[in-house]
Amino acid sequence: RKEVEQDPGPFNVPEGATVAFNCTYSNSASQSFFWYRQDCRKEPKLLMSVYSSGNEDGRFTAQLNRASQYISLLIRDSKLSDSATYLCVACVWGQNFVFGPGTRLSVLP
Amino acid sequence: GAGVSQSPRYKVAKRGQDVALRCDPISGHVSLFWYQQALGQGPEFLTYFQNEAQLDKSGLPSDRFFAERPEGSVSTLKIQRTQQEDSAVYLCASSLQATEAFFGQGTRLTVV
Repeated sequence: RKEVEQDPGPFNVPEGATVAFNCTYSNSASQSFFWYRQDCRKEPKLLMSVYSSGNEDGRFTAQLNRASQYISLLIRDSKLSDSATYLCVACVWGQNFVFGPGTRLSVLP
Repeated sequence: GAGVSQSPRYKVAKRGQDVALRCDPISGHVSLFWYQQALGQGPEFLTYFQNEAQLDKSGLPSDRFFAERPEGSVSTLKIQRTQQEDSAVYLCASSLQATEAFFGQGTRLTVV
């Protein structure tokens, strides 16, 4: 069983739709969580950090549920430019960042 | 430099050849990570340095893989006697402690 799991998708949604991605992690010692975005043949780039209280950045909302060891990302009013692979990351302080396999999103016109 | 720099960007190696991949992290970043990413997969952890100390090398797939960071800055990932299954993108990332990791553009290795 992978330490960080995600539904690989692909998620094909029309422009303007709301889409949600889920991620589970198995290491209860994980303390920091992130969502990264990776475009085709590019390196991963930070989309947002995930805090216990939940956080929002424009059209993007991230939630963390420590009891269920579950992280989510919600994208509202999706744009064509949101098409990418979204990587969930869990990190134990002082140790490596563990990536999920990624969820592929295609936003269709 | 402003970001993480990796070289070469592309490397074609004949099976059995040794390769060396270089990573220049963001200045002042203590932590440095190497990941291997196969097509359609998420990055898989290889090894982690804190300054010059290699704290975790549990992800290195075999003893053909070796990484070093002798002065706590630039790091080199060396793969000896390359095999076809080594073909992948090798990503380097650097980080301040427990904050976000910044990635380089990666080295795409093709073993023929």
